[in-house]
Amino acid sequence: QKEVEQNSGPLSVPEGAIASLNCTYSDRGSQSFFWYRQYSGKSPELIMFIYSNGDKEDGRFTAQLNKASQYVSLLIRDSQPSDSATYLCAVKNAGGTSYGKLTFGQGTILTVHP
Amino acid sequence: DAGVTQSPTHLIKTRGQQVTLRCSPISGHKSVSWYQQVLGQGPQFIFQYYEKEERGRGNFPDRFSARQFPNYSSELNVNALLLGDSALYLCASSLTPGVNSGNTIYFGEGSWLTVV
Repeated sequence: QKEVEQNSGPLSVPEGAIASLNCTYSDRGSQSFFWYRQYSGKSPELIMFIYSNGDKEDGRFTAQLNKASQYVSLLIRDSQPSDSATYLCAVKNAGGTSYGKLTFGQGTILTVHP
Repeated sequence: DAGVTQSPTHLIKTRGQQVTLRCSPISGHKSVSWYQQVLGQGPQFIFQYYEKEERGRGNFPDRFSARQFPNYSSELNVNALLLGDSALYLCASSLTPGVNSGNTIYFGEGSWLTVV
């Protein structure tokens, strides 16, 4: 079992729709969760981070965390063609040899078509 | 404020050669981590440094080494390059390695390494 799993996609949504990206993780000791957007040929860009169970909203983006189910998601409202990218879920642990380490999923490719 | 800066941005090396990649963190950030990203995969953790000490190491061979300087900048060295080392090498910067709520992690633009 992979430590962080994402559906690789591609996920295709029409412009203006809600895009839903999902991520599960295996380590119950994980404490913080990040979503990065990566355009082709570029480095990952931080979109949101979440630490507590529930929802966190920032503009068109909402991150949802459920630690009991070991599940984190990212919703993108009013999707735009410029949102087309690979979305990376990353999980951070607190202790041991993994101190400060980010563990990434393989990423979900999102395509927003006009 | 300047973000995380990395150099060089692109380089081509021959198998067996050695390479040094450089990173300057965001001003005030004391933790630097290195990640390797091969095409089609998420970044893989290589090293983390905090206050000039190695605090974490991923599953990479001893050909990979790194260090952090008093000004918190860092270098990643890879010896005896293999074709499989071709990847995007990313430097990440944060205040500390911890998981407190204000401690987000930012990436530089990366160094594209091609081994031929």
